[in-house]
Amino acid sequence: EAGVTQFPSHSVIEKGQTVTLRCDPISGHDNLYWYRRVMGKEIKFLLHFVKESKQDESGMPNNRFLAERTGGTYSTLKVQPAELEDSGVYFCASSPPRLTNTGELFFGEGSRLTVL
Amino acid sequence: GESVGLHLPTLSVQEGDNSIINCAYSNSASDYFIWYKQESGKGPQFIIDIRSNMDKRQGQRVTVLLNKTVKHLSLQIAATQPGDSAVYFCAETRQSGGSNYKLTFGKGTLLTVNP
Repeated sequence: EAGVTQFPSHSVIEKGQTVTLRCDPISGHDNLYWYRRVMGKEIKFLLHFVKESKQDESGMPNNRFLAERTGGTYSTLKVQPAELEDSGVYFCASSPPRLTNTGELFFGEGSRLTVL
Repeated sequence: GESVGLHLPTLSVQEGDNSIINCAYSNSASDYFIWYKQESGKGPQFIIDIRSNMDKRQGQRVTVLLNKTVKHLSLQIAATQPGDSAVYFCAETRQSGGSNYKLTFGKGTLLTVNP
């Protein structure tokens, strides 16, 4: 079974440009999460989808960040325009529907974003 | 792979020794705790979890201890191996609040196992 996959693995852009990160969760996982880790700091929650609906987006830093999950399958996270402080590793995670959920989140390998 | 921040707590042990990694959590309402392992260039990987109605849980070579009185969590790794070298994160959440596993992560501890 394929795990959570993220693309790209690494993106280098200049301040002011736009970047779109993609996450493909494990098939059948209704819950999809975005987290990020800024250098040297803890992994922080960004938002949570249940299927195509945003359940909780309290961690989104500002309106330069836009997450979508059309059709409830893969998700994209767009940063526009990117700023220097957006550099870090963006992790996507997924988990099964609640009734079968043991609490474990399955993480992808992350997309490293470097803003110059 | 992802580099480790200069401010990350570190633990260096000899192969074969036991390791203890500690974590202090902040939310007294948290009722579910997880330890994750992150190897360089990879995402966090689930190791073991514990619910707040327990104070100890054992897995294969790993044991998690929970002290709710002082809001402290620890991960014990027996007979540490070079493959255990990674950054270890504790995470907490409140399942009963319907947060559906919105995790709050600790800063992480870098474990280095010397052969």
